Amino acid sequence: KAGVTQTPRYLIKTRGQQVTLSCSPISGHRSVSWYQQTPGQGLQFLFEYFSETQRNKGNFPGRFSGRQFSNSRSEMNVSTLELGDSALYLCASSLELTEIYGYTFGSGTRLTVV
Amino acid sequence: SQQGEEDPQALSIQEGENATMNCSYKTSINNLQWYRQNSGRGLVHLILIRSNEREKHSGRLRVTLDTSKKSSSLLITASRAADTASYFCATVDYKLSFGAGTTVTVRA
Repeated sequence: KAGVTQTPRYLIKTRGQQVTLSCSPISGHRSVSWYQQTPGQGLQFLFEYFSETQRNKGNFPGRFSGRQFSNSRSEMNVSTLELGDSALYLCASSLELTEIYGYTFGSGTRLTVV
Repeated sequence: SQQGEEDPQALSIQEGENATMNCSYKTSINNLQWYRQNSGRGLVHLILIRSNEREKHSGRLRVTLDTSKKSSSLLITASRAADTASYFCATVDYKLSFGAGTTVTVRA
């Protein structure tokens, strides 16, 4: 079956702009989580959506937002981009029973802010 | 914030050798998971060990868990060049909390 699909793979934006990243989970997975990976901070949890509702949120400013559609696809948006937002953004989908099945990650979107 | 630390930060071994990496965590857990990441791409789920398990095997992987010491180890036996990657442990509550990772280089 198809894996988790993230688009685009690479993105270059200018400071102050906004960006939208997309994630299509594995069919049947209703939970979608987003993570930011940087060399300095490592892998950090952004938020999790389940059945179109944000269920959990990490410690990121309000410039980071997301949403989930009825087909479980999710988008995350970053407004007023800063240089420090340059990172690999990873999306993970899961069945509810993550204690048994773990998470499946997409290949990520590499965002560079210049 | 990251859950804990992994040790060593980097490891270089010859093909065919075993690679061992350790992970420490801070809070009590229900389960701990290990992931692999190749060259800044997505993470691949390797193995999950529950808090009531002490050891688990999957192919060439062996994971141990010591909840009294809040630590886990991942052993890759008979390593191959394709095992070159970064390896992360992660604890799970409503999210994954990752360690800093161990970068493993397998030399041909």
